[in-house]
Amino acid sequence: DIQMTQSPSSVSASVGDRVTITCRASQDISTWLVWYQQKPGKAPEFLIFVASSLQSGVPSRFSGSGSGTDFTLTISSLQPEDFATYYCQQAKSFPLTFGGGTKVELK
Amino acid sequence: QVQLQESGPGLVKPSETLSLTCTVSGGSISGSHYYWGWIRQPPGKGLEWIGTIYYSGSTYYNPSLKSRVTISVDTSKNQFSMKLTSVTAADTAVYYCARHGLDGWIFESWGQGTLVTVSS
Repeated sequence: DIQMTQSPSSVSASVGDRVTITCRASQDISTWLVWYQQKPGKAPEFLIFVASSLQSGVPSRFSGSGSGTDFTLTISSLQPEDFATYYCQQAKSFPLTFGGGTKVELK
Repeated sequence: QVQLQESGPGLVKPSETLSLTCTVSGGSISGSHYYWGWIRQPPGKGLEWIGTIYYSGSTYYNPSLKSRVTISVDTSKNQFSMKLTSVTAADTAVYYCARHGLDGWIFESWGQGTLVTVSS
């Protein structure tokens, strides 16, 4: 199985801050990496696929990068609606696996 | 736009079978090239993929659950279902159904989720 490790597990930030979340795969997954945002009590929504392509409608302050084993999700200027938990997921092979999540909290 | 809705009991007794159904609207399960999946999330924890099915019946399961899970599809009802046998408290979770995208194993559309509690 491909293990996905996210860091940090939580981050405290203010509106307008730049936030970076890291996801590491236990083996090479090329760019088969997806990012999701989940708000309390809601289903996850996918933001970014193939590591860096924004889903339609996702604000441009979100960006993704990386390939191989190391990936990042960056929020360039945090907005109030961005406080949520973010998950990465490898989409290269079964079993599909997720990172443990990163909670972005208000400082 | 496709919509997915999970349904099933919210409470299951230990050692019994958990059964859930996902009803798809706004699109046909069999009239497309999409795959359909189940994911779960224990309270306060992360996401775990359970399994995926194609309308033809081809399935892929998480090895950690494979001995206990069966996913099936009913194209006449535009539904797919999941059964998890011999449940324990560790199976308490919000269960989501979802549709994979056409660009790989992305979960692009999700149901709202349903909480299933395993307790006597």
